[in-house]
Amino acid sequence: TQLLEQSPQFLSIQEGENLTVYCNSSSVFSSLQWYRQEPGEGPVLLVTVVTGGEVKKLKRLTFQFGDARKDSSLHITAAQPGDTGLYLCAGDTSGYALNFGKGTSLLVTP
Amino acid sequence: DADVTQTPRNRITKTGKRIMLECSQTKGHDRMYWYRQDPGLGLRLIYYSFDVKDINKGEISDGYSVSRQAQAKFSLSLESAIPNQTALYFCATSDLRGNWGTEAFFGQGTRLTVV
Repeated sequence: TQLLEQSPQFLSIQEGENLTVYCNSSSVFSSLQWYRQEPGEGPVLLVTVVTGGEVKKLKRLTFQFGDARKDSSLHITAAQPGDTGLYLCAGDTSGYALNFGKGTSLLVTP
Repeated sequence: DADVTQTPRNRITKTGKRIMLECSQTKGHDRMYWYRQDPGLGLRLIYYSFDVKDINKGEISDGYSVSRQAQAKFSLSLESAIPNQTALYFCATSDLRGNWGTEAFFGQGTRLTVV
């Protein structure tokens, strides 16, 4: 059972555009993580959000945790080709192993 | 050196064979996990272990078994490999940080092909 739904599944944009990726669930999470995965590699943690309504920024990436701790979004400003990859959200339901969404595959072309 | 090391990186095996994928970590974490990744399906949990004496099934454990030989080592076995077990397998570790929850660190993956 996939607790986390990510949208869109695929996204192809031009360099310089902005984009938002969504991660939604009917479950409440004690924390939520965003990972980025490049081909041939394992996912790498980008950020963890813990508090409802929390906003974290990582250079051109802005992460938000919903007030009810059931959803999150990732916004990228002025995307660059180096942002290309698979973006995964993962939720922690208090002590159990992480549950991952299916991911959003992002392609940024010059 | 990688904090989480998986061996082999690539493996081709025949249907019916028993194979083992190995994972070792130098992060000192108690928690270790095995996931498989298939196109369009994301990462699905196979087994997880919170310490050497604690082994738990994930959502897709049928056809797999695990062994936690030490805090740093967690191996995954396919008892009798079948073609639909062809996938990318990841080992991960984590350290529960109180209210901060679980943050996972992944190996580079093992690409397994069952023919």
